[in-house]
Amino acid sequence: DAKTTQPPSMDCAEGRAANLPCNHSTISGNEYVYWYRQIHSQGPQYIIHGLKNNETNEMASLIITEDRKSSTLILPHATLRDTAVYYCIVRAYSGGGADGLTFGKGTHLIIQP
Amino acid sequence: DGGITQSPKYLFRKEGQNVTLSCEQNLNHDAMYWYRQDPGQGLRLIYYSQIVNDFQKGDIAEGYSVSREKKESFPLTVTSAQKNPTAFYLCASSTPTRAYINEQFFGPGTRLTVL
Repeated sequence: DAKTTQPPSMDCAEGRAANLPCNHSTISGNEYVYWYRQIHSQGPQYIIHGLKNNETNEMASLIITEDRKSSTLILPHATLRDTAVYYCIVRAYSGGGADGLTFGKGTHLIIQP
Repeated sequence: DGGITQSPKYLFRKEGQNVTLSCEQNLNHDAMYWYRQDPGQGLRLIYYSQIVNDFQKGDIAEGYSVSREKKESFPLTVTSAQKNPTAFYLCASSTPTRAYINEQFFGPGTRLTVL
């Protein structure tokens, strides 16, 4: 799996858009970008994933650069409940099976009131 | 409600004792996973099972054992051979279809402290 680099922490004001960057310069053509988040002392929660097109769901938007070497997770209107550690993971589809994921240290996003 | 349950939430054991952590899911998921998380760190994969009666070692399997006798259950035993067992343990599951997008559903975790 390609290595990812994320800032260790970020602050964002409540109600503003939170933009979380992720660098994955060694990503290969068959690898997807996945985002999970982990609220303190809970299990991680899947947010979104994408290959090369921008993606949006009810939780967030994912913007992937044209060269696919970096991406940004956008929480459009951050709330205090969005305070969590956000993990960017790059890997290929699991194919016929389902092996585990590799979580780095992620970005600790703190939403300020 | 469908979901993954882990019990207990907090567990204390004396050094040298084996301890078994419970993980149950009623999501009808085929695949289940165990991860370990240390303070300020990401998750590391211990074991995973893609189907009943089959499981594979993850990145840090030494000192741990698992069984998968039922689809719903994937207990993890932390043995006395595990040198630093104090950690937050997370169980997860996924379906074959959802596994294609690497979406895993996580339980609430068990915080194990070895005294």
